[in-house]
Amino acid sequence: QVQLQQWGAGLLKPSETLSLTCAVYGGSLSDYYWSWIRQPPGEGLEWIGEIHHSGRTNYNPSLKSRVTMSIDTSKNQFSVTLSSVTAADTAIYYCARGPPDVWGNGTTVTVSS
Amino acid sequence: QSVLTQPPSASGTPGQRVTISCSGSSSNIGNNYVYWYQQLPGTAPKLLIYRNNQRPSGVPDRFSGSKSGTSASLAISGLRSEDEADYYCAAWDDSLRRLFGTGTQVTVL
Repeated sequence: QVQLQQWGAGLLKPSETLSLTCAVYGGSLSDYYWSWIRQPPGEGLEWIGEIHHSGRTNYNPSLKSRVTMSIDTSKNQFSVTLSSVTAADTAIYYCARGPPDVWGNGTTVTVSS
Repeated sequence: QSVLTQPPSASGTPGQRVTISCSGSSSNIGNNYVYWYQQLPGTAPKLLIYRNNQRPSGVPDRFSGSKSGTSASLAISGLRSEDEADYYCAAWDDSLRRLFGTGTQVTVL
């Protein structure tokens, strides 16, 4: 059974860059898109984007100018960076597989001066 | 349209049937599969329904999904206290992005 384990810095200052990584256990990166999704406190889910094992990406147009996703097939990991963060980027960030059907446990990211 | 529209809340007594709607457009629900998720407090979302009406193994058959045109629905029959959670629909949009619903909080009275 595929499991996702994610990690990254939980406290950032405005203008810094958010960086998160998700490792895939019990399965391969192949043949799937791998997603990042976030949820601000008390709010709904927002899709950030996705990356295919081939490296092809699709990003949320509202975040596209600040988002970069990458994939490391040798480590079975994928990552996201979000530049120039503000308080509005404070959220729980989830990595996920595909539609998505498998989710990571989430990483709480707080942006505060 | 950047989101799929759901009612903010729904409720029922134990044993009742509750239905949650999800409204989109021809570029998302109308042309792609719909997925439904359950999010219990403090936890990651869990897949309930995929490809409009399919249940992953382990999901009770009390949960069912349907789609018609540019709208979809999730029905919970035989409502139980443990069904109290937030529910989200999701669909791919032909503009190459995934959309989530606004979310519905289900309360068991």
